[in-house]
Amino acid sequence: EVRLVESGGGLVKPGGSLRLSCAASGFAFKSYTFNWVRQFPGRGLECVSSLSPSNSYIYYSDSVKGRFTTTRDNTNNSVYLQMDSLRPDDTAIYYCVRQVISGSGMDVWGQGTWVTVSS
Amino acid sequence: QSALTQPAAVSGSLGQSITMSCTGSTRAIGSYDIVSWYHQVPDRAPKLLIYEVNKRPSGVSDRFSGSKSGNTASLTITGLQADDEGDYYCCSRKVFGGGTKLTVL
Repeated sequence: EVRLVESGGGLVKPGGSLRLSCAASGFAFKSYTFNWVRQFPGRGLECVSSLSPSNSYIYYSDSVKGRFTTTRDNTNNSVYLQMDSLRPDDTAIYYCVRQVISGSGMDVWGQGTWVTVSS
Repeated sequence: QSALTQPAAVSGSLGQSITMSCTGSTRAIGSYDIVSWYHQVPDRAPKLLIYEVNKRPSGVSDRFSGSKSGNTASLTITGLQADDEGDYYCCSRKVFGGGTKLTVL
């Protein structure tokens, strides 16, 4: 079964850090681009990062550039999102999402992990 | 990152067809065939319906189809069913639209 499972979310104070992990299984991990997509409490979606198979392409949205870092471990079939200098408006569900191979859609989504930034 | 505009809500009756739009700039939609569409129901992750304007992943019903004209992409659903209700999002160049809530009457 193709699966993505996120972990690492939680409650953190403004200015703090969190590291999200995404464990992949059931497919050839190293061939795919992975995205982190967040959904705000008001339901809007934002793609915050994207990382290609060989790390040759990395994308960050303007709202997280310089604060978030995405990495991958092709040996352990995992993707990570290091989030620093967190702000209350980073509060959201964070989804790990696989991109269609050689394409632009996002075809496999994890169950999501909540990140709450509050004092 | 350019914005994509979707109507807040659309509705249709069981069995009917509806079309919803996603409008952006030439840079966001007009120059690229990379628009995708997602369906989300409460407490679930979004599900991919259409990618690259009009391609359906395996397992997605052929009642769903996508198209594009100029800077506007469209999603058409034929033979509306009760479980088509929910939120629909378009996406292009890593930017999502604000979503359209579909109500099936």
